[in-house]
Amino acid sequence: NAGVMQNPRHLVRRRGQEARLRCSPMKGHSHVYWYRQLPEEGLKFMVYLQKENIIDESGMPKERFSAEFPKEGPSILRIQQVVRGDSAAYFCASSPLATTASSGNTIYFGEGSWLTVV
Amino acid sequence: GQQLNQSPQSMFIQEGEDVSMNCTSSSIFNTWLWYKQDPGEGPVLLIALYKAGELTSNGRLTAQFGITRKDSFLNISASIPSDVGIYFCAGHNTNAGKSTFGDGTTLTVKP
Repeated sequence: NAGVMQNPRHLVRRRGQEARLRCSPMKGHSHVYWYRQLPEEGLKFMVYLQKENIIDESGMPKERFSAEFPKEGPSILRIQQVVRGDSAAYFCASSPLATTASSGNTIYFGEGSWLTVV
Repeated sequence: GQQLNQSPQSMFIQEGEDVSMNCTSSSIFNTWLWYKQDPGEGPVLLIALYKAGELTSNGRLTAQFGITRKDSFLNISASIPSDVGIYFCAGHNTNAGKSTFGDGTTLTVKP
């Protein structure tokens, strides 16, 4: 069973360009989360999505950042007009449908996408 | 929003020593998760705890879900060099959707 797949693993963008990060959840998982990790810091929640729905985007910056999880295909985190402060590791995680079963509360991470803005 | 306090921030120990780290919260969680992150990699799930008071082991790792549901600890026994990394706790509630993470404990093991 393939894990959470993220690509690209490493991405270099010049200031002002756009960055697109992709995430395919684990098979059977319908919930996707994006977290950002700045150097030497912990994981900060950005957004929580289900298919075609944004459930919680309380951690997303108000401008330049957007996320989607379409009916078909991977989840996309899009950063427009990148700035140096956007340089970070972006982790996607997924979990199964949250039911009364405990496993619905367990999220599994991908290996991350490292964005460097030059 | 919910916040977790994870301590200690870092630990330097000798190989063979036992390690203990913990997380506390002002809010109740119904799931506690512990992850390990190696440099350049994503966090890997070590232990998941689903019931208050639950004590769960995974090899040399033991974690407990505090009875108040506001805290959890992780113990590592007889540490080895490959235990080096950053350990994160996370609290989760089903109706909140997202997990909240502590800031991590960086573990260094000296051979």
